[in-house]
Amino acid sequence: SQTIHQWPATLVQPVGSPLSLECTVEGTSNPNLYWYRQAAGRGLQLLFYSVGIGQISSEVPQNLSASRPQDRQFILSSKKLLLSDSGFYLCAWSMPLTYEQYFGPGTRLTVT
Amino acid sequence: DQQVKQNSPSLSVQEGRISILNCDYTNSMFDYFLWYKKYPAEGPTFLISISSIKDKNEDGRFTVFLNKSAKHLSLHIVPSQPGDSAVYFCAASFRSEKLVFGKGMKLTVNP
Repeated sequence: SQTIHQWPATLVQPVGSPLSLECTVEGTSNPNLYWYRQAAGRGLQLLFYSVGIGQISSEVPQNLSASRPQDRQFILSSKKLLLSDSGFYLCAWSMPLTYEQYFGPGTRLTVT
Repeated sequence: DQQVKQNSPSLSVQEGRISILNCDYTNSMFDYFLWYKKYPAEGPTFLISISSIKDKNEDGRFTVFLNKSAKHLSLHIVPSQPGDSAVYFCAASFRSEKLVFGKGMKLTVNP
């Protein structure tokens, strides 16, 4: 069966510090991968998605970037965090050409 | 522009009764709709979905209804259980490219 991992579970970082969140999927090949953010009291906002290694699509202009160095690894990064980057970050995967996405446990990021 | 709308932020029902969660969308190109359930500090869990070629899909206690002419879908939970208390997100997609989520609705089922 497929499993998706995210780490860390929680993170407190000062403004201006770098960020690296990692997501890995097991039990499947060539998945589509997604990064979402849920800000307090808001819905799920798609940040990035990837249909293959090195292929990244950005949904909104922001202080973040994403990379996919391996087939089942998706990384969310920032060089300098802003207060507005605080939120709950979720990684998800789906099989190509299917609609259902499956989410990881999430990372709670607090920028202070 | 919010393409998927969940206009009611919360709903409270008694255990054993029916819960009806509503969702409206504006993009007539959407061809697939999904419901997710989310507990605090966890990732959303896929619940049930429906293709635009259908008007109803049922899975146990959960039924999703789609009214394309009204651009409206609803999730019915019968009977509601305390464990159903969570935030429910409606999502829509066009050709499986991306999911567009609503803002969510908090369901509370009282024992």
